[in-house]
Amino acid sequence: KAGVTQTPRYLIKTRGQQVTLSCSPISGHRSVSWYQQTPGQGLQFLFEYFSETQRNKGNFPGRFSGRQFSNSRSEMNVSTLELGDSALYLCASSLTTGDTEAFFGQGTRLTVV
Amino acid sequence: QKEVEQDPGPLSVPEGAIVSLNCTYSNSAFQYFMWYRQYSRKGPELLMYTYSSGNKEDGRFTAQVDKSSKYISLFIRDSQPSDSATYLCAMSRGGSYIPTFGRGTSLIVHP
Repeated sequence: KAGVTQTPRYLIKTRGQQVTLSCSPISGHRSVSWYQQTPGQGLQFLFEYFSETQRNKGNFPGRFSGRQFSNSRSEMNVSTLELGDSALYLCASSLTTGDTEAFFGQGTRLTVV
Repeated sequence: QKEVEQDPGPLSVPEGAIVSLNCTYSNSAFQYFMWYRQYSRKGPELLMYTYSSGNKEDGRFTAQVDKSSKYISLFIRDSQPSDSATYLCAMSRGGSYIPTFGRGTSLIVHP
């Protein structure tokens, strides 16, 4: 059974640009959550999508957005990148919303220069 | 004060030692308690989860929850160099609530 796939693995962007990250959940999983991980703040929740609807949202500015497609694949977008957006962005998939068993992808390492 | 507190370490132990990793929390509504292991350059991997208070054992790993003290622990017996990783605790109220993560403790097991 394939795990959670995130693309790309590494990304370097310039301040002010925008970026789109992709996540393919485990087959059959309908919930996708996104997290930002930094050494200073740890793992912080961005948002969760279930059945193409945003179910929960963390405390991040509107520059961070996401969506989910009918096949449960999800994308997140960050516009007007700032240096502080440099982080590891992790996607987690689970069978349903609020499921305690969440499976993480390997993440996308975003560096903003 | 953060909702979940976890000492970042690093915690360095010799191979074969018993390791104790801990988290404290402030929200008494938490009912589900999880432990994740994260190797360098990888995503977190769910090790164990428990509901409410009590112990749960899985091989060399034991998770312990004390809700009265708002304190959870992960014990690793006969630690191996391959256990070297960052261990994150996470807690949830259940239902549709999203888990809250600790910052993680870096564990180094040296041969």
